Amino acid sequence: EAGVVQSPRYKIIEKKQPVAFWCNPISGHNTLYWYLQNLGQGPELLIRYENEEAVDDSQLPKDRFSAERLKGVDSTLKIQPAELGDSAVYLCASSSAHEQFFGPGTRLTVL
Amino acid sequence: GDSVTQMEGPVTLSEEAFLTINCTYTATGYPSLFWYVQYPGEGLQLLLKATKADDKGSNKGFEATYRKETTSFHLEKGSVQVSDSAVYFCALVWGFNKFYFGSGTKLNVKP
Repeated sequence: EAGVVQSPRYKIIEKKQPVAFWCNPISGHNTLYWYLQNLGQGPELLIRYENEEAVDDSQLPKDRFSAERLKGVDSTLKIQPAELGDSAVYLCASSSAHEQFFGPGTRLTVL
Repeated sequence: GDSVTQMEGPVTLSEEAFLTINCTYTATGYPSLFWYVQYPGEGLQLLLKATKADDKGSNKGFEATYRKETTSFHLEKGSVQVSDSAVYFCALVWGFNKFYFGSGTKLNVKP
């Protein structure tokens, strides 16, 4: 069974540019998460979906971040415009029965 | 609110030494508890879990026991290997699929 797939794995952009990350969860997992992970820290939740509904987006900086999961399967996280402080690893995860599985992450560098 | 507290790292051990990484939690309900491991450049991988008090999770020589009376879930391994060098995260979930992570403990094992 395929795990959580994320792309790209690495992205380098200049500040003020837009960037998008894609995630395909494990088949059948209704719950999808986007996390931000800064160096040396644990994952911080940005947004959680139950099927196509965003049920927890309280930590998502909505002035520049947006996310969608239109058909309740794969999801896209966008930043526009990116700032220097957005440099981090963006992790996607999906869960079933309270067991969460992570993708490899996208490492974003903003110059 | 719900939270997880881990011992700060890094923890440096010689190969075959005994490992303990402390984790305590605060939760309003009865959470499930997890240990995740993260190797450099990768996402988090589930190492073990326990879903109720007195359960012992185990995997790859690692163990942790869910202690409700001390609200703890300490990770142990009897004999660490160089390949165990990674960052370890304690986490909890209960209720609405919202996970809470500790800040991580980096383990360095020297040959």
